[in-house]
Amino acid sequence: EVQLLESGGGLVQPGGSLRLSCSASGFPFDKCPMTWVRQVPGKGLEWVSTISGHGASTHYADSVKGRFTISRDNSRTTLYLHMNSLRVDDTAVYYCARRSPSWGPPDNWGQGSLVTVSS
Amino acid sequence: EIVLTQSPATLSLSPGERATLSCRASQSVTTDLAWYQQKPGQAPRLLIYDAFNRATGIPARFSGSGSGTDFTLTISSLEPEDFAIYYCHQRTSWPITFGQGTRLEIK
Repeated sequence: EVQLLESGGGLVQPGGSLRLSCSASGFPFDKCPMTWVRQVPGKGLEWVSTISGHGASTHYADSVKGRFTISRDNSRTTLYLHMNSLRVDDTAVYYCARRSPSWGPPDNWGQGSLVTVSS
Repeated sequence: EIVLTQSPATLSLSPGERATLSCRASQSVTTDLAWYQQKPGQAPRLLIYDAFNRATGIPARFSGSGSGTDFTLTISSLEPEDFAIYYCHQRTSWPITFGQGTRLEIK
């Protein structure tokens, strides 16, 4: 059974930093691209970033480019999102999600981790 | 950026009725279109991928159709658990994008 468990969310001041983690199990982690998607409470879904299975290829939404860094540790089957220069409008639930090895759509999602940016 | 526009924004129907949700892309996404269901407090669940393929465990009352720029999600006979928000999603080109959602509510 595929399991994705996010952690690391919380309250941070504007301009601060936070690192989200997503612990994965139940599938060949190093074969699957992984994605972060966020959702402001009560609003729609926004793609944030994607990383290839081997970690060499990364993609970012313009809204986070230069501030967020996606990475993975395949030996620990863990995905990360390093968030710097956080802004109030980064406040959202952050989901990690698996994509199939053929780069299909996200097919399994974690339960989400709430990040609140506020002074 | 490929913009996905979903219609209607809200759909009010009764259990047993047929639901038809639309998603229009600003440019062709061939068949790289997926549909998700999201209930309050839950993560999205993949329903349909590649425009018309049901994901594992998804009931046969859910079906997808379309290609290019116009897509449809059909729920043939609504069950009480189907009332939720539905999102379409394209992966043809970066940035990957989602539609703004259609809220399916009980009439």
